[in-house]
Amino acid sequence: DAKTTQPPSMDCAEGRAANLPCNHSTISGNEYVYWYRQIHSQGPQYIIHGLKNNETNEMASLIITEDRKSSTLILPHATLRDTAVYYCIVRVGQLVFGQGTRLTINP
Amino acid sequence: EAGVVQSPRYKIIEKKQPVAFWCNPISGHNTLYWYLQNLGQGPELLIRYENEEAVDDSQLPKDRFSAERLKGVDSTLKIQPAELGDSAVYLCASSLGTDKVYNEQFFGPGTRLTVL
Repeated sequence: DAKTTQPPSMDCAEGRAANLPCNHSTISGNEYVYWYRQIHSQGPQYIIHGLKNNETNEMASLIITEDRKSSTLILPHATLRDTAVYYCIVRVGQLVFGQGTRLTINP
Repeated sequence: EAGVVQSPRYKIIEKKQPVAFWCNPISGHNTLYWYLQNLGQGPELLIRYENEEAVDDSQLPKDRFSAERLKGVDSTLKIQPAELGDSAVYLCASSLGTDKVYNEQFFGPGTRLTVL
């Protein structure tokens, strides 16, 4: 399994874009990058995943570098409800959660 | 569509007592997972079912933990006897299909267990 490195915490102002980095320098060619988030007292929630190309959905965008050794999750217009722990996971099949990044959106 | 249902949401017991958690996955999801989440940590997989078969239980402490998924739908996770260190949140998740091809996992709200 490729290990991921995320900053333990980040702050972002409401309405601004939140950019959450993740390093996964040992990623293998067939391993996907997944992002989940966990709001307080809830179970984790899927956000997005990708292999090589950048991906976008209604929640976020995922930018993966060309060498695939790092990625960035972008929440384009963060709201207070986006305050959560964000997990970057690199795995084939099973999800292996690290400690994630605690993102706080400030009013 | 109903999400993953877990009960109870909270449970407080004394050490050495038994405890059971119940999970009802999303209809049609044949893969079910139980995770353990300690405070400040990410979830850790305990067991994974594909239909009624436990295909990965390598992380389940089998001396005191047991799980079942009769008929390949609902599942129960049991601890007997509980220890102080078992205090944690127990999460259930389900997904459509198997882990051979990635499928999004949908998580329930979890059961918060406190062992006194």
